[in-house]
Amino acid sequence: DQQVKQNSPSLSVQEGRISILNCDYTNSMFDYFLWYKKYPAEGPTFLISISSIKDKNEDGRFTVFLNKSAKHLSLHIVPSQPGDSAVYFCAASELSNDYKLSFGAGTTVTVRA
Amino acid sequence: NAGVMQNPRHLVRRRGQEARLRCSPMKGHSHVYWYRQLPEEGLKFMVYLQKENIIDESGMPKERFSAEFPKEGPSILRIQQVVRGDSAAYFCASSMTGVGTEAFFGQGTRLTVV
Repeated sequence: DQQVKQNSPSLSVQEGRISILNCDYTNSMFDYFLWYKKYPAEGPTFLISISSIKDKNEDGRFTVFLNKSAKHLSLHIVPSQPGDSAVYFCAASELSNDYKLSFGAGTTVTVRA
Repeated sequence: NAGVMQNPRHLVRRRGQEARLRCSPMKGHSHVYWYRQLPEEGLKFMVYLQKENIIDESGMPKERFSAEFPKEGPSILRIQQVVRGDSAAYFCASSMTGVGTEAFFGQGTRLTVV
């Protein structure tokens, strides 16, 4: 069963504009959420996380928003850069077992020059 | 994440053979996690190990799959009598302590069963 869903398999955005990636989850026990970035032939790299006590976390060009009532989170990248072209995975877990991540299927972001 | 080393990067096995996937964690990391990514899907948790101990294997198929993390040497994920459905990318991650820390992923082993 897919507890974390990324409904957009791909996203194309102009360099300098905002990229918005969306993620929905079904398990109400999840209280820790992460975004990973993955280049071809490499493993996922941690990008940013948020716990359920917050609704926003910002790190440079990356901001994650959490809407607990809607069981929805999003990642904003602004401004988008060509090096941001990658697959982005949303992941969730219970904080008490944060190694047991449930991943979405990923969104491939392409930043156009 | 370059510090987590997985080998081989690609592995081809015939149905019925055994597959052994190795993972050397980052220096100083004693916690290892294995994940599997089937085509068109996200990564799925398989097993969590510390040195010489299996902490959580709730994501491992009950048969043909086993994992170990010996006192010396890499962690091994072993798949016996492979079937076509085992074809996937297998990722290992490691962390310094367990719960509450960020884990770093290796580059993965792509297993193809022919």
